[in-house]
Amino acid sequence: NAGVTQTPKFQVLKTGQSMTLQCAQDMNHNSMYWYRQDPGMGLRLIYYSASEGTTDKGEVPNGYNVSRLNKREFSLRLESAAPSQTSVYFCASSEAVGTRTGELFFGEGSRLTVL
Amino acid sequence: AQSVTQLGSHVSVSEGALVLLRCNYSSSVPPYLFWYVQYPNQGLQLLLKYTSAATLVKGINGFEAEFKKSETSFHLTKPSAHMSDAAEYFCAVSETGGFKTIFGAGTRLFVKA
Repeated sequence: NAGVTQTPKFQVLKTGQSMTLQCAQDMNHNSMYWYRQDPGMGLRLIYYSASEGTTDKGEVPNGYNVSRLNKREFSLRLESAAPSQTSVYFCASSEAVGTRTGELFFGEGSRLTVL
Repeated sequence: AQSVTQLGSHVSVSEGALVLLRCNYSSSVPPYLFWYVQYPNQGLQLLLKYTSAATLVKGINGFEAEFKKSETSFHLTKPSAHMSDAAEYFCAVSETGGFKTIFGAGTRLFVKA
């Protein structure tokens, strides 16, 4: 059982380049999320998708776009990378029990460096 | 808006000693509360969660946490630390009616032999 799979695991970009982080989950979860992790700041929500066909901004959406391709897949795109986007990115999913967020299941992370 | 504060970015204990990691939250409604653990170069995994069924919650690997509404706290404890407990621990709160989980800044636990 793979759970949540993210690709790539590592990426180095130059300022201004674009890239897409891919995420897929095989747990039939309704909700998916993208977080970034920076030292001393915990995890901050970038975007989330409560269900297939919907996406919403989180705490730090500027400079990012997302696509919920289908129920399994949720991608994060950086159109013009900046050094401030150097971070570790985590994709997560949850069942979203009722109207509350349930347990999050995380991928192993994607470490992005922007030079 | 909900928030989470973890007291102490680093905690160091000796093997066999009590582990106490502190978490305080703010919320205008009864929250869902979580503790997650992150081992080096891995994603986060759930240790335990509070969903209003019981104030003392038991999790994996011998950890437990107590929800204290009057103190708005959800501290994580383990009676006897093991070397394998060395990791970063995150407290998190879930917002009612939304799909957002807010994380604390994390506490890195060091265990000395």
